[in-house]
Amino acid sequence: EPEVTQTPSHQVTQMGQEVILRCVPISNHLYFYWYRQILGQKVEFLVSFYNNEISEKSEIFDDQFSVERPDGSNFTLKIRSTKLEDSAMYFCASRSPRYEQYFGPGTRLTVT
Amino acid sequence: GQQLNQSPQSMFIQEGEDVSMNCTSSSIFNTWLWYKQDPGEGPVLLIALYKAGELTSNGRLTAQFGITRKDSFLNISASIPSDVGIYFCAGREYGNKLVFGAGTILRVKS
Repeated sequence: EPEVTQTPSHQVTQMGQEVILRCVPISNHLYFYWYRQILGQKVEFLVSFYNNEISEKSEIFDDQFSVERPDGSNFTLKIRSTKLEDSAMYFCASRSPRYEQYFGPGTRLTVT
Repeated sequence: GQQLNQSPQSMFIQEGEDVSMNCTSSSIFNTWLWYKQDPGEGPVLLIALYKAGELTSNGRLTAQFGITRKDSFLNISASIPSDVGIYFCAGREYGNKLVFGAGTILRVKS
């Protein structure tokens, strides 16, 4: 069964550094998403992406964040200058035509 | 903004018991989804609901889309140890983003 994959599974970075989180969505899906989950809290929407542009974003998704689909399979989230409070699990998701969103296994980002 | 209240926050189950949890919203949703999340993993989609009144089953799981479109419940019948985990409801109003509930933690009574 097709699934969303994410790399790396765990990323440790120093405050102020740039990180890129990578995702490969399900191949015939057209909408892609990033969510984050701070430890012990609920999943929060960051951004949705369709047709090579952002279709919706939350207030969390400020100028430090950007998304890109650099080729036909990868979908990336970049955080330009990480802060301590960016430490969280980051989930990529892709959406079926019936609005079902399928999540990847996540990248645990630790900012020190 | 959209608010989802999920209850209970946590519950203990004995193997074989039925379990029920629900979500209520401050606004009308067009899609309700239920997910299960195990520690350190991503949410796994259990059931998707698309219209008011819809009742859908997936094995021992049954979920309903409330008539008012502001609520949904999930039932698990005859629970087994591997049912433990965190269950999240998620709703879609318009557009594409999902709003998640805070989760219901299911634990096993020892």
